[in-house]
Amino acid sequence: AQSVAQPEDQVNVAEGNPLTVKCTYSVSGNPYLFWYVQYPNRGLQFLLKYITGDNLVKGSYGFEAEFNKSQTSFHLKKPSALVSDSALYFCAVRDETGFQKLVFGTGTRLLVSP
Amino acid sequence: EPEVTQTPSHQVTQMGQEVILRCVPISNHLYFYWYRQILGQKVEFLVSFYNNEISEKSEIFDDQFSVERPDGSNFTLKIRSTKLEDSAMYFCASRLPGQGHEQFFGPGTRLTVL
Repeated sequence: AQSVAQPEDQVNVAEGNPLTVKCTYSVSGNPYLFWYVQYPNRGLQFLLKYITGDNLVKGSYGFEAEFNKSQTSFHLKKPSALVSDSALYFCAVRDETGFQKLVFGTGTRLLVSP
Repeated sequence: EPEVTQTPSHQVTQMGQEVILRCVPISNHLYFYWYRQILGQKVEFLVSFYNNEISEKSEIFDDQFSVERPDGSNFTLKIRSTKLEDSAMYFCASRLPGQGHEQFFGPGTRLTVL
């Protein structure tokens, strides 16, 4: 079965510094990977996805993610963090069977300090 | 920009009561989903719906749960007899047909069962 792991419960970074939120995946076929962000008391907002093609995927709000097949990773990155990036970030993989439900990781809380 | 909407934003109910959570997916989307997120935990899949029928459901989605698309716009989740452990945030999502399309999530309904 498909799964994703987010090894860090929380990531702390100072404003202006680069940030990385880690995600590793496990699939039997080709991975379809997604990042979502959740602000307090809000729904999940789509950030970016990897389907095929370039390993570096660019998304909303200046975020990007690097797909690495050999390491089965899909880390979320941003060159310069903002305080407003503080939120809960979820990595997800599309289920290969059925109707493409998403399987989510446990989430990583990003805290950007001024 | 089109978005998924959900009502109510917060529902408080007594144990054993029936609740209906409502969603209006994006108009040209054909695949619909319900997920839930118990406080502090990850987002879990409940059910997917396509072509007016359930296409997949998780083991959480037992006989107490049902979904319906009563007209061309609404998509509802009914819990017949709520339990304390049903307290969670419930998210509706929808997506376009085809491979690799991201799911768009609504803002969620917070269900509190007393």
